[in-house]
Amino acid sequence: EVQVVESGGDLVQPGGSLRLSCAASGFPVSSNYMIWVRQAPGKGLEWVSIIYSGGGTYYPGSVKDRFTISRDTSKNTVYLQMNSLRAEDTAVYYCARVLGFSDAGGYRHFDYWGQGTLVTVSS
Amino acid sequence: QSVLTQPPSVSGAPGQRVTISCTGSISNIGAGYDVHWYQQLPGTAPKVLIYDNNNRPSGVPDRFSGSKSGTSASLAITGLQAEDEAHYYCQSYDYTLSVVFGGGTRVTVL
Repeated sequence: EVQVVESGGDLVQPGGSLRLSCAASGFPVSSNYMIWVRQAPGKGLEWVSIIYSGGGTYYPGSVKDRFTISRDTSKNTVYLQMNSLRAEDTAVYYCARVLGFSDAGGYRHFDYWGQGTLVTVSS
Repeated sequence: QSVLTQPPSVSGAPGQRVTISCTGSISNIGAGYDVHWYQQLPGTAPKVLIYDNNNRPSGVPDRFSGSKSGTSASLAITGLQAEDEAHYYCQSYDYTLSVVFGGGTRVTVL
């Protein structure tokens, strides 16, 4: 059965750090694209990082140079290292599998999502 | 402010048809990139509802359909049911911003 399970969310002070984990089962993270998407309380969805099967990583400007996505293929797990956290980073963080690029050139859809893990940045 | 624009809310009586628009620009939907739709039931993670503009994953009722034209896309729900109350998000790709989402639309069944 294909599944992704996030963990690591917590209450952290502004300026602090946190590492989230996304454990995958039923497929190898090494040959798939994986994405982190967050949702602030009562708000919409925002992507925060993506890692390609070849290892390339990409970020939007809002988290670039603060967040780092990585993976451990031996544990079949993807990580999100978050540094210099701000109040506006407070959100539920979801991990999902991306089915690569489509023939049209953009990303294909995100087919398997985890249940999410809550990150709260507050003093 | 989301890159893709959706109405904040739509509503309809049981059995009615509702549509949700998703308006983009020439750098995303208008550039030919596919549009995907996600349903988020209260307290749960998003789930893909429509992919590649008009395709349904197995298990999604055929009451849900998608279309795309120019710089916009639409999600239609026919025969609206109480269990369809949820938030719906469109998503595409932008050649300057990468992944882009709509702001989400809340569907209420009257």
